[in-house]
Formats: sequence, C-alpha cells, structure tokens
Amino acid sequence: NAGVTQTPKFQVLKTGQSMTLQCAQDMNHEYMSWYRQDPGMGLRLIHYSVGAGITDQGEVPNGYNVSRSTTEDFPLRLLSAAPSQTSVYFCASSYSKGVGNTIYFGEGSWLTVV
Amino acid sequence: DQQVKQNSPSLSVQEGRISILNCDYTNSMFDYFLWYKKYPAEGPTFLISISSIKDKNEDGRFTVFLNKSAKHLSLHIVPSQPGDSAVYFCAASSPGYGGSQGNLIFGKGTKLSVKP
Repeated sequence: NAGVTQTPKFQVLKTGQSMTLQCAQDMNHEYMSWYRQDPGMGLRLIHYSVGAGITDQGEVPNGYNVSRSTTEDFPLRLLSAAPSQTSVYFCASSYSKGVGNTIYFGEGSWLTVV
Repeated sequence: DQQVKQNSPSLSVQEGRISILNCDYTNSMFDYFLWYKKYPAEGPTFLISISSIKDKNEDGRFTVFLNKSAKHLSLHIVPSQPGDSAVYFCAASSPGYGGSQGNLIFGKGTKLSVKP
C-alpha cells in the first residue's frame, strides 16, 4: 500500500542549480499539493492541483514550478535553488474538495541548498 | 499574521495521564479542523478531525473539542502512552484558502513527550 511516494528523500544542491522533487500517489486522488516545513514552523502551502492539467499557487509559490499531466504525479521544480529554499518538503493528496477530506502526506524530502 | 496558533511548543506528561494540546485560530471562515501527528523523519499522519458544526469528536483515546465562540480547539489524549510522543499539528481548512477544502493552514506544532 504505497500511498504518497516522494523522491528523493535527501538532496544537497548548490545555489543556482535546478532540480525536481517527484511525488506520486496510487489512491486515484484528484487533489494534490506541496508544502514546505521550516524549523519551528508549521507546514506552508506552495502549490496545489485540483486535477490533471490544473494547478494553482499557494501561500509561498515563489521559486517553484509545478505541473500535473497525470492524476498520479505532481512534481515540484526548483528553477534556480537558493539557500532560502533549504527545507523539508511534503507532498499531499486527497479526494476532491469537500468538507471532511482526509489529506495524506508523503514521508518528506529533505533539501539543503548550499 | 498567523491564523492558526499553537502557543505551547512542548508538553510533557506522565504515562497514563491526560494530554491536552491546545490550538487557537483567528479566521471565523474556517469550517473544518484537523489534528496531525508527526514523528521525526516522517510525514504528518492524520489523527482526528472535527467539523465546525460540531463541538466534539471522539476516536478511541483521542477527543477533539471545538469552542467556536472562543475560536479554540483542543485535543485530549487519554490515557497517554509513550508511543504518543510526537509533534502534533493543528490545521484548519477554509473554502476561501485556495478555493478548495484540500488546502490546510497549519499551526507551528506542539511536541508531546510522554514519560514512562
């Protein structure tokens, strides 16, 4: 029972490099999202998608890009990594909008930008 | 401006006693509240939720209470067990936040330590 799978688990980037964090879910959820968690902070929404082909910005979208070509996958791209993007990233998914949806999270991706 | 606040960064309780974790919110448009539990190096795991039309929801050892007039909710764990030691996040959902119920606004978390 895979649920929400994120790769890689750990990554070190140099400033200015680009990379993609992968996220896949096998629950046929329409809704997927990306959050980041910084020390002493709650999770903050970066981008989200309510279905294939539809994406939108969350609370902290700058420096990130997303696409949703399939229901299963929702990659997060860092276009030009900056030290401020050092964080733990969580991908999440749930059924389509409606009160009472349980949101399931992946195990996280630890990113360090030096 | 923090819309969901967990003012206690940490809480320590004895095994078998009650743990009470608190959460305050400022946005009256929030209509659904969730508690997540997080172990180190793992993703948050859903624990329990409550709709704004209710004032209590119970699931085994976990009970969430909602006081809408005070914009306050609390999570009660009875009895507390050492395996409950984790960071607990309070989260709220609003139709206006990203236009979807799927977006959550999180508090900063409370680290619960249950001592044997």
